[in-house]
Amino acid sequence: GAVVSQHPSWVICKSGTSVKIECRSLDFQATTMFWYRQFPKQSLMLMATSNEGSKATYEQGVEKDKFLINHASLTLSTLTVTSAHPEDSSFYICSARDWGGAYEQYFGPGTRLTVT
Amino acid sequence: QKEVEQNSGPLSVPEGAIASLNCTYSDRGSQSFFWYRQYSGKSPELIMSIYSNGDKEDGRFTAQLNKASQYVSLLIRDSQPSDSATYLCAVSSNYQLIWGAGTKLIIKP
Repeated sequence: GAVVSQHPSWVICKSGTSVKIECRSLDFQATTMFWYRQFPKQSLMLMATSNEGSKATYEQGVEKDKFLINHASLTLSTLTVTSAHPEDSSFYICSARDWGGAYEQYFGPGTRLTVT
Repeated sequence: QKEVEQNSGPLSVPEGAIASLNCTYSDRGSQSFFWYRQYSGKSPELIMSIYSNGDKEDGRFTAQLNKASQYVSLLIRDSQPSDSATYLCAVSSNYQLIWGAGTKLIIKP
């Protein structure tokens, strides 16, 4: 149980274009999903917390107009990187929290974004 | 600012020995504690959770919690090369998880 999928697993895009990443909880309902970014050899960095049906809460320093998050259902959250630039190249990971559970988060496999 | 502290390592342990990973946290109100394992280039995977003082064992893994000392640890018995990874400690605080930076563990054959 507690499986989270993420799509795509990797993507290459050109500078200035937008990329959408999907995160789905497959066998549980997730009222809260989280988006993280991780640069090579660095720690996880929480970007934003999204709650189903409401606006995402962004961490300090994360541009909400650049990283658009939509959590339209209890099993799906999307992250759109708008006007991507090479410095946005990173490993993006989503996680989901089971509404009936404690605070544990279950992670998707991650999306490796390369902006050329 | 709530914090979770871990030694970044690397911690090098011979194969077959016990690996001991430690984590301290600042929020005395924290109630839930988790250990995640992250292999290089992969996403974190939940391996242990603990909610009350004492030890919790699951196979070769034992989590230990001491709320008075604000200390949580993970012991890995009979360490295997496949245990080489970064281990992340996460602590609940204000309906969120606060993450440690992780300890890199290397098991030497």
